[in-house]
Amino acid sequence: EVQLVESGGDLVQPGGSLRLSCAASGFPFSSYEMTWVRQAPGKGLEWVSYIDSGGTSIYYADSVKGRFTISRDNAKNSLSLQMNSLRAEDTAVYYCARVGHGDSEFDYWGQGTLVTVAS
Amino acid sequence: QSVLTQPPSASGTPGQRVTIYCSGSSSNIGSNSVNWYQQLPGRAPTLLIYINNERPSGVPDRFSASKSGTSASLAISGLQSDDEADYYCAAWDDSLSGPVFGGGTKLTVL
Repeated sequence: EVQLVESGGDLVQPGGSLRLSCAASGFPFSSYEMTWVRQAPGKGLEWVSYIDSGGTSIYYADSVKGRFTISRDNAKNSLSLQMNSLRAEDTAVYYCARVGHGDSEFDYWGQGTLVTVAS
Repeated sequence: QSVLTQPPSASGTPGQRVTIYCSGSSSNIGSNSVNWYQQLPGRAPTLLIYINNERPSGVPDRFSASKSGTSASLAISGLQSDDEADYYCAAWDDSLSGPVFGGGTKLTVL
């Protein structure tokens, strides 16, 4: 069974940093591209970042470019999102998801982890 | 403001057929496949439709979708109370070099 479990969400002050993790199991993690998607309270889905299976091809949404860094450790079946210079508008539930057949096809999602940026 | 445009709400009665539309442009829907997600209240999104009209295993055939030009649609027939959820369309955007989502449509079963 495919499982994605996020962790690391917390309350952080504006300008602060946070590192999210996603533990993957039930599939050959190193063979799949992965992505982060977030959802602000009461709002829709917003794509954040994408990483290919080898960790060499990486994309970011303009809203987080230069502040967030996606990475993966295929030996540990783990995906990470380092978030720096956090802003109030980064407050959201962050989901990690597995990329399926296509670039916007996310076939498995984690349960999400809440990041709150507030003073 | 979402790149893909969806109506914020839709509704229907049990047994009815409901269609949700998603409008984009040549850089996203017009040149890439569309995927649909269902998000039940308080839950993470799940993949409902991929590559325009394919259903993952376990998704009932009451759910169908199509794409034409720069628009796509999701149809739900035999509406059930369990179908109450938010529905999102998504597609890769060549101009933005990333996937884009619609704003979501909240489906209410009356």
